[in-house]
Amino acid sequence: AQTVTQSQPEMSVQEAETVTLSCTYDTSENNYYLFWYKQPPSRQMILVIRQEAYKQQNATENRFSVNFQKAAKSFSLKISDSQLGDTAMYFCAFMKPDEAGNNRKLIWGLGTSLAVNP
Amino acid sequence: KAGVTQTPRYLIKTRGQQVTLSCSPISGHRSVSWYQQTPGQGLQFLFEYFSETQRNKGNFPGRFSGRQFSNSRSEMNVSTLELGDSALYLCASSAQGNSNQPQHFGDGTRLSIL
Repeated sequence: AQTVTQSQPEMSVQEAETVTLSCTYDTSENNYYLFWYKQPPSRQMILVIRQEAYKQQNATENRFSVNFQKAAKSFSLKISDSQLGDTAMYFCAFMKPDEAGNNRKLIWGLGTSLAVNP
Repeated sequence: KAGVTQTPRYLIKTRGQQVTLSCSPISGHRSVSWYQQTPGQGLQFLFEYFSETQRNKGNFPGRFSGRQFSNSRSEMNVSTLELGDSALYLCASSAQGNSNQPQHFGDGTRLSIL
């Protein structure tokens, strides 16, 4: 069974600085997807960034980038130039699509609570 | 385009009762997934519906059930409520449920069992 581990329950960073959130996962699969989601106090889960396991290039989305190490089964999220609006719970998630390419269930880590301080 | 809409936003029930939660996906989306979020267990997958058929199911007891209508709206039902069912229930939709398409989440329904 696949598992996702986020070893940092809470983190804080000063505004404008850079922070890295850790995520490791366990799977015997070769083809899968990894995600980082953000859940602010408003509760809505928002997709931050996505990585296909078959792509060696690390995904980036503006200030957000990942360090995907497939062999080490590590998928960390780097937030550059942190902003107050980045304060949220961050969840790492894993998904293996079925043979037809359809979504299977997302398997989630327990989350990291990130506070960006002014 | 309206986002994923979940109703009600808050719900209080007592043990033994049953409850129905509703999720309206983004217009045109045919896949709807449900998740339970609790502080201790985190987010756990309940089930996914696509074109009115349950396509995937998580490891929850039979008290948890769902369905999807022809307009892609989905409902989730929990019978014989237990204290441990207190949670935030999140619904997510995607266009075809294909792995190339992201899931869009609603704001959730906060269910409290007294």
